[in-house]
Amino acid sequence: NAGVTQTPKFRILKIGQSMTLQCTQDMNHNYMYWYRQDPGMGLKLIYYSVGAGITDKGEVPNGYNVSRSTTEDFPLRLELAAPSQTSVYFCASSYSPSGGASDTQYFGPGTRLTVL
Amino acid sequence: GDSVTQMEGPVTLSEEAFLTINCTYTATGYPSLFWYVQYPGEGLQLLLKATKADDKGSNKGFEATYRKETTSFHLEKGSVQVSDSAVYFCALAGYTGKLIFGQGTTLQVKP
Repeated sequence: NAGVTQTPKFRILKIGQSMTLQCTQDMNHNYMYWYRQDPGMGLKLIYYSVGAGITDKGEVPNGYNVSRSTTEDFPLRLELAAPSQTSVYFCASSYSPSGGASDTQYFGPGTRLTVL
Repeated sequence: GDSVTQMEGPVTLSEEAFLTINCTYTATGYPSLFWYVQYPGEGLQLLLKATKADDKGSNKGFEATYRKETTSFHLEKGSVQVSDSAVYFCALAGYTGKLIFGQGTTLQVKP
């Protein structure tokens, strides 16, 4: 049981490049989330998903896209990288049988992205 | 909207000292409250949580009590260890169900 895994761990992009951050969970959780963490700040929600085929915007969705074709995977796509997207990105998942998202979230180890 | 405010860090303590990290919140209704911990180079992990007023969450010697009258959820530990050095995040899940995080408080414990 690996929990939540993320790849890559580190990445440097040039302005305008694209990339996909991968996230996989093996706990059969219905909810999945993407956050970004900027230095000295808390986590900000980018996108989330309540189940396969369903995604919704969080607090800071601009410049990102997501998809959820399976329960396990929730990739985050950056289409045109900008320096403002330099951050640490965390994926998380939770099991919320009643439909709320107040249950414990389990986090991956993060991806440190630098855009130059 | 909902928000969480934590005391500014870093907090530097000697081993076996008493720890308090303050957390206050603003929310509509009756949120669930959480403390998450982030050890160096790792993702966040749940430390403790409380889902209703007057509940006390506890884990690994840490405690926090959900105080609705003061809208607070302060984290305490009676005797910290070097291994407690980490960043601590207070968070709430309100009526939207999404987690709202405070900015985090860095704790450094010196031997």
